[in-house]
Amino acid sequence: QVQLVQSGAEVKKPGASVKVSCKASGYTFTSYDINWVRQATGQGLEWMGWMNPNSGNTGYAQKFQGRVTMTRNTSISTAYMELSSLRSEDTAVYYCAEGAADGAFDIWGQGTMVTVSS
Amino acid sequence: EIVLTQSPGTLSLSPGERATLSCRASQSVSSSYLAWYQQKPGQAPRLLIYGASSRATGIPDRFSGSGSGTDFTLTISRLEPEDFAVYYCQQYGSSLAFGQGTKVEIK
Repeated sequence: QVQLVQSGAEVKKPGASVKVSCKASGYTFTSYDINWVRQATGQGLEWMGWMNPNSGNTGYAQKFQGRVTMTRNTSISTAYMELSSLRSEDTAVYYCAEGAADGAFDIWGQGTMVTVSS
Repeated sequence: EIVLTQSPGTLSLSPGERATLSCRASQSVSSSYLAWYQQKPGQAPRLLIYGASSRATGIPDRFSGSGSGTDFTLTISRLEPEDFAVYYCQQYGSSLAFGQGTKVEIK
C-alpha cells in the first residue's frame, strides 16, 4: 500500500543539524510533491516547505529560509529534510506528507521526534 | 501570506450531535484549495476534505465541507465516539498554511 516511512527519533544539541528521511513506497515517488510539517508538543501544525521529487525544485516557508534544505534520492524513493542551527524551539515531531489529493496531503509519514537539548 | 483563523477553539458536544467548525481566511483562497484534517493524540493528521468539499478516500459521508472565498465550514452531521479529535483547516492555493485547530471534545 501507499506509505511514507520516516527515520527514527533524534536528540541533538543546540547549534547542530538534523537530517530526517522519508521513504516512499506503493506509488511512483516522482509523481507528487513531498511536504514537511512540524508540530511542537501540544501545539498546531506548522508547514515548513515542499519539494518536487521529479525536478528537485523546492519552496520553503519564510520562517525557515536559510535553515532548511529539502533533497531527495530518486533511486531509493527517499526524501530528506535537513534543519540546521537547531535551537530548543525546534523540538517537535516532524512529518513528511505527500500531496496527491489535488495538492492536499493524503498520505503522511508516522512522524519523527526531534529533541534539541543541551 | 494567507492567515487562517478557526473557531471555536473548543467545541463541547455529545455523541449524535451535529458539529459545525469554521475556518476564515485573511484573503480569498484560490480555486477553493482548502482542506480539512483530523488528528488524534499520538497520530499523524488524516485528510478528510480537499478542494473545500471533496471527501478523501474512505471518509464517511457524515463529514462534509462547504464554502468558498474566505469562509469555509466543516460539518459532522452526527458525532460518533471516534470523531472526538482536533481538526485543522489548511489552504494550499497560495503558499501554504494551517489554521490553529478546533478541538471537538465530549460534553
